[in-house]
Amino acid sequence: GENVEQHPSTLSVQEGDSAVIKCTYSDSASNYFPWYKQELGKRPQLIIDIRSNVGEKKDQRIAVTLNKTAKHFSLHITETQPEDSAVYFCAAMETRYDKVIFGPGTSLSVIP
Amino acid sequence: EAQVTQNPRYLITVTGKKLTVTCSQNMNHEYMSWYRQDPGLGLRQIYYSMNVEVTDKGDVPEGYKVSRKEKRNFPLILESPSPNQTSLYFCASTPLAGGFPSYEQYFGPGTRLTVT
Repeated sequence: GENVEQHPSTLSVQEGDSAVIKCTYSDSASNYFPWYKQELGKRPQLIIDIRSNVGEKKDQRIAVTLNKTAKHFSLHITETQPEDSAVYFCAAMETRYDKVIFGPGTSLSVIP
Repeated sequence: EAQVTQNPRYLITVTGKKLTVTCSQNMNHEYMSWYRQDPGLGLRQIYYSMNVEVTDKGDVPEGYKVSRKEKRNFPLILESPSPNQTSLYFCASTPLAGGFPSYEQYFGPGTRLTVT
């Protein structure tokens, strides 16, 4: 079955710097890759996603890149702000099989 | 307001005492699922349902049961809870597109369960 690894597990950056979180997946059939942000004590919320027919997607300060050959995808946050501090989860999904596999999460701290 | 609700939000119980965590969504979504969240392990899918009367196992189904008798409800049942089921549980729903789960999952607020 699918396995998703995520690195780093913790990340601290200065406000205004960029943050990059990387995930790898094992099942080449996976074709949907969402990223969720979970603030302390709250529910996960989708921040961006990408499908396997797209190499890159951007939404303001957030971007996701996908390398299907290497089976990895990354979240890029530019001009980080303290409110970006949260746990970020990547996930992979093979829509034919309906399951969603999440990575273990990255705790991002943005230092003012 | 479009939302996913869970009850109870907090529950402390004892080993072996059957319990049910309810989940309800008002968005007419076909796909619903249950996750447990444990430190360092992320979110692990317990069960999911593609539609009424259609359920399937996720990655960690042992010790759990679900039912889907109505489209809006997807309760999680622990017939004989054990301490290793102490966790934070999330229900989620998403619409289908082309017959498959698509777009974002809408998560409920979570249920923190402690089994002593």
